[in-house]
Amino acid sequence: ETGVTQSPTHLIKTRGQQVTLRCSSQSGHNTVSWYQQALGQGPQFIFQYYREEENGRGNFPPRFSGLQFPNYSSELNVNALELDDSALYLCASSPREPSGVAKNIQYFGAGTRLSVL
Amino acid sequence: ILNVEQSPQSLHVQEGDSTNFTCSFPSSNFYALHWYRWETAKSPEALFVMTLNGDEKKKGRISATLNTKEGYSYLYIKGSQPEDSATYLCAVLSGGYNKLIFGAGTRLAVHP
Repeated sequence: ETGVTQSPTHLIKTRGQQVTLRCSSQSGHNTVSWYQQALGQGPQFIFQYYREEENGRGNFPPRFSGLQFPNYSSELNVNALELDDSALYLCASSPREPSGVAKNIQYFGAGTRLSVL
Repeated sequence: ILNVEQSPQSLHVQEGDSTNFTCSFPSSNFYALHWYRWETAKSPEALFVMTLNGDEKKKGRISATLNTKEGYSYLYIKGSQPEDSATYLCAVLSGGYNKLIFGAGTRLAVHP
């Protein structure tokens, strides 16, 4: 068990809708990253939050947005869903080193599988 | 764009066989390399984080080496067991960024 929980586990939406995915980080971890894993690929970095601010973003459009809360839980929001957004979405938490780069091991949740019809 | 490649894509071995797979990455701007094990329907589980050229790490029957000058890491499993069946992911943290770039993984199946 990693101590990171994601909800819901599965979700079905239709094209054009909006979705919110949730993640509860491991206690004491102040950094959370979100990843998208499409079939046959490795997880692709969406963005990272540190102390409630976005701290790095991958090659995803602005309709992918996030929030991190004071208790270090977080959300991933996707607007105007497209068919290609169908994927497994993973969050991972980690402590942040004083150097400012989270090279520590990341603790993953089991993911939310999103299907867009 | 940082590209992390893993080979082979999949591997079938018999129980008791030893096996290894490769992770390749650009050697410039390297900061750290992570190995994760991912069993179906579970969370990816961290195996190793390596940062220095020549690093070797071991956890039970699983070990890993790192060559940052030539840009590769090997993961070895000695005496494979059916419970080792999983997808093994490597990910590279590039200097100046906080994001992990993952390879597509090696899917290992160990047959009794």
